[in-house]
Amino acid sequence: MRLEESGGGVVQSGRSLRLSCAASGFSFKTYSFHWVRQAPGRGLEWLAVISYRGNYQYYGDSVKGRITISRDNSGDRLFLEIHSLRPDDSGVYYCARGSPLADRVFVRALDPWGQGVHVSVSS
Amino acid sequence: SYVVTQTPSVSVAPGQTAKITCGGDDIGDRSVHWFQQRPGQAPILVIHDDKDRPSGIPERFSGSNSANTATLTISGVEAADEADYYCQLWDDNSDHVVFGGGTKLTVL
Repeated sequence: MRLEESGGGVVQSGRSLRLSCAASGFSFKTYSFHWVRQAPGRGLEWLAVISYRGNYQYYGDSVKGRITISRDNSGDRLFLEIHSLRPDDSGVYYCARGSPLADRVFVRALDPWGQGVHVSVSS
Repeated sequence: SYVVTQTPSVSVAPGQTAKITCGGDDIGDRSVHWFQQRPGQAPILVIHDDKDRPSGIPERFSGSNSANTATLTISGVEAADEADYYCQLWDDNSDHVVFGGGTKLTVL
């Protein structure tokens, strides 16, 4: 089982960014997925979850309205779009596998996680 | 949304037992998961569903959850256990994943 994030880098404040997470080694389409971020020196912050069919998405309060989680089940990929980037969006962004066959309730542990991708927003 | 509280730091000598707690209202009614994160690395799952160990996680790691406190216990602590530990659960009321603020385990 493997998850690999990409699409990070240095971005100017106010711009948008699209992160990608490629999955391999398991049946991508049967699992829900999460995005979690970690600011430098800080704890884990949950951002969003998407159901296994992609028809339900839930967002954390701090980013709701500025991010969109989506998935491509034919290509085994998860995405996160972040709009109106701010310096405090800087950090490491992780994708993580969630509950199997879950639509609205995501009680299972996030496992596994990707290695993370760095995002740095310059002011 | 639901709030969980972790003690920011715990220190223990090698070979001793470390207890890391995650507090919340009636947290015993919820499934709690625990992650270990070493510096510069992604989190890894060490306990799921209150007390179950994933394959490959040493038996030294155990978990419990009752009333208002979930606990991760590490017996016979080793230097390699020095890391940040996070609890996590799903909050049905807010449809949010909730993480504790993390506990830094220092092995003296």
